[in-house]
Amino acid sequence: LAKTTQPISMDSYEGQEVNITCSHNNIATNDYITWYQQFPSQGPRFIIQGYKTKVTNEVASLFIPADRKSSTLSLPRVSLSDTAVYYCLVVEYNNNDMRFGAGTRLTVKP
Amino acid sequence: ETGVTQTPRHLVMGMTNKKSLKCEQHLGHNAMYWYKQSAKKPLELMFVYNFKEQTENNSVPSRFSPECPNSSHLFLHLHTLQPEDSALYLCASSQDDREDEQYFGPGTRLTVT
Repeated sequence: LAKTTQPISMDSYEGQEVNITCSHNNIATNDYITWYQQFPSQGPRFIIQGYKTKVTNEVASLFIPADRKSSTLSLPRVSLSDTAVYYCLVVEYNNNDMRFGAGTRLTVKP
Repeated sequence: ETGVTQTPRHLVMGMTNKKSLKCEQHLGHNAMYWYKQSAKKPLELMFVYNFKEQTENNSVPSRFSPECPNSSHLFLHLHTLQPEDSALYLCASSQDDREDEQYFGPGTRLTVT
């Protein structure tokens, strides 16, 4: 399984765009990049998943360069309610073996 | 509201007690999971069930005993636990056990005294 590395914590202010980068140097051909969000006292929530280039949904965008050794989760115009831990996972296609790391604790300030 | 419910939300038990955690999903999924989240460790996968059959046991001690009577319900039976077993126990479900998008419940906060 490819190991992921992401910053332990980040601070931002309301209305700013936040970019969280994740490194996964050993990503394999069959691996997808998946991001989850976890609020205190709740279970993680799926945000977005991608294989290459760019994926966008109503919550976030995911940018993946051609070599796929890193990815960036972009949250547009964050609000206080986006304060959470964000997990980057590399998951083999058709395999549910998800290994969560420590995640990035994002704090959004007023 | 994710469609996955867990009861109880909080549980305090002694090391000699026997208790059970319950998880129910209302999403029509076929796979269900138990995870453990400790204060000092990342989320750890414990068990996976697909169509009521256990497909993964991640070297979990026998004092944790899962049960999946049907695709909508999952239990975790606890007995003779240790204080280090205190953690948040999360249940999740997905369409099947090859689906990356999992839906998590709110968790049961377990304290072993």
